[in-house]
Amino acid sequence: ILNVEQSPQSLHVQEGDSTNFTCSFPSSNFYALHWYRWETAKSPEALFVMTLNGDEKKKGRISATLNTKEGYSYLYIKGSQPEDSATYLCASSLAAGNKLTFGGGTRVLVKP
Amino acid sequence: ETGVTQTPRHLVMGMTNKKSLKCEQHLGHNAMYWYKQSAKKPLELMFVYSLEERVENNSVPSRFSPECPNSSHLFLHLHTLQPEDSALYLCASSQGTGGEKLFFGSGTQLSVL
Repeated sequence: ILNVEQSPQSLHVQEGDSTNFTCSFPSSNFYALHWYRWETAKSPEALFVMTLNGDEKKKGRISATLNTKEGYSYLYIKGSQPEDSATYLCASSLAAGNKLTFGGGTRVLVKP
Repeated sequence: ETGVTQTPRHLVMGMTNKKSLKCEQHLGHNAMYWYKQSAKKPLELMFVYSLEERVENNSVPSRFSPECPNSSHLFLHLHTLQPEDSALYLCASSQGTGGEKLFFGSGTQLSVL
């Protein structure tokens, strides 16, 4: 069973501040790491899919890094805005087949 | 709009009822999924279909019965459910099953009385 952990479970961020949070996963037999953003009353939306150690991906003010050797990924939000408030999910898989195991999510609340 | 549509959005059913959840994707994808989110638990994979063939059944009880009549439609047939089956059921699709990102529907919030 693949164990994917996210921390913290929740965090409050002042508008304009930057923040980051962690996803940890087993490093052996790693295949892919996904990040999703899930806003209240909406569908989870894919942010990034990363497969290579050292990968860095960026989408606007949001970026992510991947360390497959030690089994962690960071998600960064630069200059947080209220519209960044959401639950951020990571998911990892051991092999092709898209059998993703999700973490419990980090709930981010950006205060104006 | 993600291109993945789920109906109904909300469903209340008794333990002796039979109901079905429907999912339709308009993205031309080849893979479809059912996920379950119970309160305070991570998303759990239930079933994976690739090109209309079931490729994953994640130890799901037989009271949940999936059906994939074509690559655009996915159903989850429910019968004799238990109150602990109350959860949000999410459908997703992806181009293939080689690590591609998932496109999710809005989910069906199910309550079993």
